Parts: sequence; structure tokens; C-alpha cells
Amino acid sequence: QVQLVESGGGVVQPERSLRLSCAASGFTFNNHGMHWVRQAPGKGLEWVAVVWYDSRNTYYSDSVKGRFTISRDNSRNTVHLQMNSLRPEDTAVYYCARDHKGWPTYYFDNWGQGTLVTVHS
Amino acid sequence: NFMLTQPHSVSESPGKTVIIPCTGSGGSIASSYVQWYRQRPGSVPTTVIYEDQKRPSGVPDRFSGSIDSSSNSASLTISGLEPEDEADYYCQSYDNDNRGVFGGGTKLTVL
Repeated sequence: QVQLVESGGGVVQPERSLRLSCAASGFTFNNHGMHWVRQAPGKGLEWVAVVWYDSRNTYYSDSVKGRFTISRDNSRNTVHLQMNSLRPEDTAVYYCARDHKGWPTYYFDNWGQGTLVTVHS
Repeated sequence: NFMLTQPHSVSESPGKTVIIPCTGSGGSIASSYVQWYRQRPGSVPTTVIYEDQKRPSGVPDRFSGSIDSSSNSASLTISGLEPEDEADYYCQSYDNDNRGVFGGGTKLTVL
């Protein structure tokens, strides 16, 4: 069965960096686009970024563009989110989500359990 | 910017039918597929409708989705409401710049 396991969350000070990882298993990883979606405490879902199946294209929300970088390693079945210049408003649970297809359709058909990132001084 | 707007909350009695609307602005909702996700407290979101009206396996046919281009809106209809349907529901799509978009979420209370 499809498994997505996030790691790398924690408490970090503003302006510092953090790198999240998502280990995928149970499916052919390089057939699917991969997304990060976040949810601030008590708030709704917010899409963060996507990487195509072959890393050819990446796209970001306006709120993280220029600060976050999504990447993937198809040899290791992992996707990463490098988060720089973190702000308190980046505090959220970060979910890794699989796209239904390789060139993203933005249908998130499987989700990880999430990893909590807390940004405060 | 393309946005999706949902009511903050809806409520209905068990056995009844509820419709959760999702109104698009800043673009045509028919330009890309709409998905609906259910999130129970403390749980990960799961799909109840994808590609406007399709149901993943395991989702009962009490759940249905539709698109109305004339009102630039999508709707999630849940019939025969059950107490376990109580959850937050999110509509979702993406814009012309390949950015994912979520509605703000609707809290469904089954009275």
C-alpha cells in the first residue's frame, strides 16, 4: 500500500532554515508528481509546492516562493522541502501528498501523516 | 488570483441532505478539476470527490459532486447524513499559474 512518511519537523527560530523529507513506498515513485500542503494550527489547508515526476517543473505558492525549494530524488523515493528564512506564519503541520499523475493534476490521492514545524523565538 | 470560497459552517440533521457550495473567483471553476477532501478532527484529509464528480473506491454514493459554470461554483452533496459525516470539508483545484488552491473549509455539523 502507498506510504508517505514525513520527517524533519521541529522548533526553529525565525529566519533560520529547516529541511523536510518525505519517504515514499508502495508505488512507482517516478510516475507521480509530489506536493507539500500545510495546515496552520486550527486553520485550513494551504497548498505549498509541487514537483513534477521528473523534476522538470516546480511551482510554489506566493507565500513561500523565493524562500522554499521543493526537490525529489527518484533513486531514493524521497521528496524534500528546503525552507529558508522561516517566519512565524510558516508554523504548521506540513503534509507530503502524492499527485494522482506524473504531470500534476492537483488531485492529492494519498497523504502522509504530517510533520509539525514551529517557528518562534 | 483564482480563489475558492466556502461557507464557514453548515449543519443538518441525520438522514437529511446537505449541499456545501464552493464558489470560484478570479477565474473559471470549469477550467480545472475540483476535488473535495474530508478531514476529521486530528486526522489526515481524505478524498471524497475527485475530478469534479468521481468517487474514490470506498466512498459511498451518498457523496456526489457537481460543477455549475453559470454560477462559477462547485458543490458537494451529502445525502442520508450520518453522524460520522461530521467533519471539515475542503474544495480544491488549481489556477492558471499551476498553483494549488484550497477553499477555506466548511465545518459540517450533523445535529
